[in-house]
Amino acid sequence: GIQVEQSPPDLILQEGANSTLRCNFSDSVNNLQWFHQNPWGQLINLFYIPSGTKQNGRLSATTVATERYSLLYISSSQTTDSGVYFCAVVRETSGSRLTFGEGTQLTVNP
Amino acid sequence: KAGVTQTPRYLIKTRGQQVTLSCSPISGHRSVSWYQQTPGQGLQFLFEYFSETQRNKGNFPGRFSGRQFSNSRSEMNVSTLELGDSALYLCASSLTTGGLTRDYEQYFGPGTRLTVT
Repeated sequence: GIQVEQSPPDLILQEGANSTLRCNFSDSVNNLQWFHQNPWGQLINLFYIPSGTKQNGRLSATTVATERYSLLYISSSQTTDSGVYFCAVVRETSGSRLTFGEGTQLTVNP
Repeated sequence: KAGVTQTPRYLIKTRGQQVTLSCSPISGHRSVSWYQQTPGQGLQFLFEYFSETQRNKGNFPGRFSGRQFSNSRSEMNVSTLELGDSALYLCASSLTTGGLTRDYEQYFGPGTRLTVT
């Protein structure tokens, strides 16, 4: 099956710092989504980005499908950004089946 | 528009029992998928239903089953519970399945936390 690797696994920042999270995947994909898992376990949609660049406030994402990677940028981080960030992809032949990476645990200290 | 809802939110069961979890998708969404999250295995796909038909199944034993109703609501059932079934079970819905459009961006519910003792 498709492999999804996220880096770094853990990231500790001071409030106000910027960060870049990376997601590498091993095969062509139809769908790529970034999620933030809140402390209660719910996955919150950040971006649907199978290719190109999108921005939403302090967050932006870029996917280079031909090189099989995606980046999530967080600028001016806040303590509320803390949590686990997941990248998930849908392989071309897998319907809507999302394959998740292991996640990046982000901690933003005040 | 209301989001994906899951019931119950928390559940405690004993080994050997069975359990049924419910998921109501976003209104108009026809695809429902189920995922299991554990600390050791991460987030793993269980199965996907679209128009009452199972379209995709993950690598889980036959004790895990599901179904979808005509109103797109879905249930999953786990029989003969084992300690290792303790997990967060997440349901996701999307407008449709497959394809190359935004229509199948997936949205997750709050999850059901199952503890097996």
